[in-house]
Amino acid sequence: DGGITQSPKYLFRKEGQNVTLSCEQNLNHDAMYWYRQDPGQGLRLIYYSQIVNDFQKGDIAEGYSVSREKKESFPLTVTSAQKNPTAFYLCASSLGTGSYEQYFGPGTRLTVT
Amino acid sequence: AQSVSQHNHHVILSEAASLELGCNYSYGGTVNLFWYVQYPGQHLQLLLKYFSGDPLVKGIKGFEAEFIKSKFSFNLRKPSVQWSDTAEYFCAVNALMEYGNKLVFGAGTILRVKS
Repeated sequence: DGGITQSPKYLFRKEGQNVTLSCEQNLNHDAMYWYRQDPGQGLRLIYYSQIVNDFQKGDIAEGYSVSREKKESFPLTVTSAQKNPTAFYLCASSLGTGSYEQYFGPGTRLTVT
Repeated sequence: AQSVSQHNHHVILSEAASLELGCNYSYGGTVNLFWYVQYPGQHLQLLLKYFSGDPLVKGIKGFEAEFIKSKFSFNLRKPSVQWSDTAEYFCAVNALMEYGNKLVFGAGTILRVKS
């Protein structure tokens, strides 16, 4: 069953703690993405990776970090430097970047108190 | 700044009504255009896309969209909505020269169809 998995579905953390969100895909896609979804703001790109061991900042990368050590995995760390981390986080992948269709995971809702 | 605008954040329609959701972008070069849909409790999924050719594109579930280059628009339409079309709809634009390899999304339109 091919697709993108994100875990956990809900995550709660205390302010000041770093937290890592998992994203795994078995679609053999080269490109992977992390978005943040807030009500009324659509999806905003945090980071993306076109290939293993390479990644680029998106529009709102401050306070986040990523790694791409394996083709199928693209974990996102929300650091304590992120001013407003409570949000819905979506991971996506595509065969390539740009005009390729992106496939999305189910998302992780992070709440930081 | 380059952007993607969706004019209505909330739309409420009765079943069988016609639907048109607006999408405008602010980049003047070559663009690839997408509509994604997020049904309640489901993953975001592709509804339709435009790369080149016929500016009227057909997607899944009876949706279509028309690319009007002179108006920088890519409006989504459906002649007769069903209760199951209740979802959030996102327009997205890739403009390689301006955005690089990124896809830029609009703020989304929440559609509620009353049965």
